[in-house]
Amino acid sequence: GAVVSQHPSWVICKSGTSVKIECRSLDFQATTMFWYRQFPKQSLMLMATSNEGSKATYEQGVEKDKFLINHASLTLSTLTVTSAHPEDSSFYICSAPAADSYNEQFFGPGTRLTVL
Amino acid sequence: DAKTTQPPSMDCAEGRAANLPCNHSTISGNEYVYWYRQIHSQGPQYIIHGLKNNETNEMASLIITEDRKSSTLILPHATLRDTAVYYCIVRAQHNTDKLIFGTGTRLQVFP
Repeated sequence: GAVVSQHPSWVICKSGTSVKIECRSLDFQATTMFWYRQFPKQSLMLMATSNEGSKATYEQGVEKDKFLINHASLTLSTLTVTSAHPEDSSFYICSAPAADSYNEQFFGPGTRLTVL
Repeated sequence: DAKTTQPPSMDCAEGRAANLPCNHSTISGNEYVYWYRQIHSQGPQYIIHGLKNNETNEMASLIITEDRKSSTLILPHATLRDTAVYYCIVRAQHNTDKLIFGTGTRLQVFP
């Protein structure tokens, strides 16, 4: 199946700093990618839909100025958590549908963010 | 997209079949049933999907009731590596559509 990678796999930062997380489709192109957040012992919560060449679509309640999404190429989407605070500590996961796979989406391994 | 209801947790002995139920009573005619699973601290993994016929692949079988209001995911011979949270999701069939995850079923396979 198609492979989606994320970088970094984990990051620890100080409160007030910004953190960038990359999501790459390694062997396919993705015009659409999705970003999720998952708190401990909870389900995945969709944050936004990343669209190549256009603005991201954010889910209700997600601050677009805090979670900046850029989808500059067909294989890369980035999520920047700006002015991170401890409550932003979470597991961030991206997914992408492959063009030749009509039914499934492929998920990255996730990025664990810890804000001190 | 229709909502789904799953039991929060289940246990299964290694080597036995694991049957995970899902209720989706408000499913509409163009919506498919998808199953994903998430092993601890990893990204979710696609398992199987179906519309109204039963489906089988190398990972699992999916049994959908005739009225399509419920389904069962079957892992025929569970192993310890099948311990994970299993999510049943209903949505129209297009892979660019977003997936909305419910609470899922935490399956614990024990020796």
